[in-house]
Amino acid sequence: IAGITQAPTSQILAAGRRMTLRCTQDMRHNAMYWYRQDLGLGLRLIHYSNTAGTTGKGEVPDGYSVSRANTDDFPLTLASAVPSQTSVYFCASSEGASGSYEQYFGPGTRLTVT
Amino acid sequence: GQNIDQPTEMTATEGAIVQINCTYQTSGFNGLFWYQQHAGEAPTFLSYNVLDGLEEKGRFSSFLSRSKGYSYLLLKELQMKDSASYLCAVRDDDYKLSFGAGTTVTVRA
Repeated sequence: IAGITQAPTSQILAAGRRMTLRCTQDMRHNAMYWYRQDLGLGLRLIHYSNTAGTTGKGEVPDGYSVSRANTDDFPLTLASAVPSQTSVYFCASSEGASGSYEQYFGPGTRLTVT
Repeated sequence: GQNIDQPTEMTATEGAIVQINCTYQTSGFNGLFWYQQHAGEAPTFLSYNVLDGLEEKGRFSSFLSRSKGYSYLLLKELQMKDSASYLCAVRDDDYKLSFGAGTTVTVRA
């Protein structure tokens, strides 16, 4: 059982380039999330999806887009990368958005925008 | 919005007890979570509180007072492997999690 996977593990990207971070879970979880983690700021929610076919904006959505075409996949796209998007990106999933369901996190993608 | 505060760093000796406090001011409340994150790794779930009181799980316990906007995570019988960051997170009425910046705990021999 893989749980939740992310790709790539790390990436160096030139500013202005387009990039898609991939996230896949095999737990049949309904809800999925994208966070970025920066030193001293903790985890901040970028976008989320409570169920396949729906998405919502988190705390820091600007410059990012997501889609949720099926239960398992939740890709995050940077349309035109900027240096301030240098961060560690974590994808997470949970069985449901409410109740005691905890979020399970993927291993993260370390992105550097130069 | 959410404002979640926790100390930046704490140091304790192996075998001791450490209490990590978390205070929050939120526009809604639907539960509080604690996560552990080792350096370079993903966060992992430790505990969940939605009602006032203490939840105990082995060496870790978590307490919640909703009226005070306050929680703590208690780590007992500290081990070297407990050296990590501990993240306090509050879920709002829209079921989104907001995280504190995390508390780095260093366990010394």
